[in-house]
Amino acid sequence: EADIYQTPRYLVIGTGKKITLECSQTMGHDKMYWYQQDPGMELHLIHYSYGVNSTEKGDLSSESTVSRIRTEHFPLTLESARPSHTSQYLCASSSQGQYGYTFGSGTRLTVV
Amino acid sequence: QKEVEQDPGPLSVPEGAIVSLNCTYSNSAFQYFMWYRQYSRKGPELLMYTYSSGNKEDGRFTAQVDKSSKYISLFIRDSQPSDSATYLCAMSAHNFGNEKLTFGTGTRLTIIP
Repeated sequence: EADIYQTPRYLVIGTGKKITLECSQTMGHDKMYWYQQDPGMELHLIHYSYGVNSTEKGDLSSESTVSRIRTEHFPLTLESARPSHTSQYLCASSSQGQYGYTFGSGTRLTVV
Repeated sequence: QKEVEQDPGPLSVPEGAIVSLNCTYSNSAFQYFMWYRQYSRKGPELLMYTYSSGNKEDGRFTAQVDKSSKYISLFIRDSQPSDSATYLCAMSAHNFGNEKLTFGTGTRLTIIP
């Protein structure tokens, strides 16, 4: 079944730790996105990619980094987690001619 | 000013009621309009998609776009407890190339049995 997978679903981590949030899709979509979602706030785009070896920063400034070495894989890395990084992180993908995005179930990150 | 405004609610209605969810926007270039439904602890899923002005119906759901007023609506008829979720509007100026979506904040809806 074609889908988009995010792991872990929940993560509690201490300040200063390095973390990588995983996102993989099996639909062959060329475009992938990372959004940050906080309660009562709109989705904020933090990174996007239009293909392999292509990554761009989104509208919301983020201390995270991303890579796109394979079409299906778009991981997000925080080198040194801080409590301000506590949020829900949503990964999405799309392709030309597709209506809208397909979202993963999200990773809820808590930095203590 | 935000490009897309959406009342965050929460909105609670009894089962069977007609629900009206709305968004306003300021960018007149927007032509593609979407509604996403997001259940608790899940990612958003595309519910409805419309292009330009007019209505689109899918079962109990109707999406309406009024470009002259920069106003879009989602109507849910015969609402069910399973409709309880957060509904996000999203829009873009194009549907080709490298167009990014602009989202509203989402309206949290609860259908009371």
